[in-house]
Amino acid sequence: SQKIEQNSEALNIQEGKTATLTCNYTNYSPAYLQWYRQDPGRGPVFLLLIRENEKEKRKERLKVTFDTTLKQSLFHITASQPADSATYLCALDGLTGGGNKLTFGTGTQLKVEL
Amino acid sequence: EPEVTQTPSHQVTQMGQEVILRCVPISNHLYFYWYRQILGQKVEFLVSFYNNEISEKSEIFDDQFSVERPDGSNFTLKIRSTKLEDSAMYFCASRASTGKRQPQHFGDGTRLSIL
Repeated sequence: SQKIEQNSEALNIQEGKTATLTCNYTNYSPAYLQWYRQDPGRGPVFLLLIRENEKEKRKERLKVTFDTTLKQSLFHITASQPADSATYLCALDGLTGGGNKLTFGTGTQLKVEL
Repeated sequence: EPEVTQTPSHQVTQMGQEVILRCVPISNHLYFYWYRQILGQKVEFLVSFYNNEISEKSEIFDDQFSVERPDGSNFTLKIRSTKLEDSAMYFCASRASTGKRQPQHFGDGTRLSIL
């Protein structure tokens, strides 16, 4: 069955450092991979989308890589700030069924400390 | 920036009762979705809706669930006879349709508590 894994343990880093979050998947061939941010009690907020034929995508302090051979995506936040503290969700979109549903990982909680 | 709005923010219902969760998607979007998130678990797909019909549904979305877009602006999720295990956050999402892949935009959810 399809499986998406993100680091279940929380990631604590110091302000100013680069946070790197991992998303691994099996038994799946996504056409697109998306990263979302979720704050407590709120809905997911879209951050970045990367296509299967793209290796890397950047937006301001965010960078995403997508390796379809390793079946892995890495999400980087450079110069991290306490305001970056949240849960980050990886979501796969395989263009199945016409509805383009997203399949989410469990998320990784990031805490950026002063 | 336009956003997806959901009402109510919290709904408490007795088991066996019907509940309707409401969503107003972003106005020029064409694809609509419902997801749920049980406390401490991952966000799970329920159903997608396009051109006034369901395009895909998960095995969670059984005969007790239905969706409707009654008036061109609201998008509703109805649970006919609620069970305790329906307690969760329910998120509505919408997506524009262009030649280029667009992300889904989520509302802040309705917390459904079944007693």
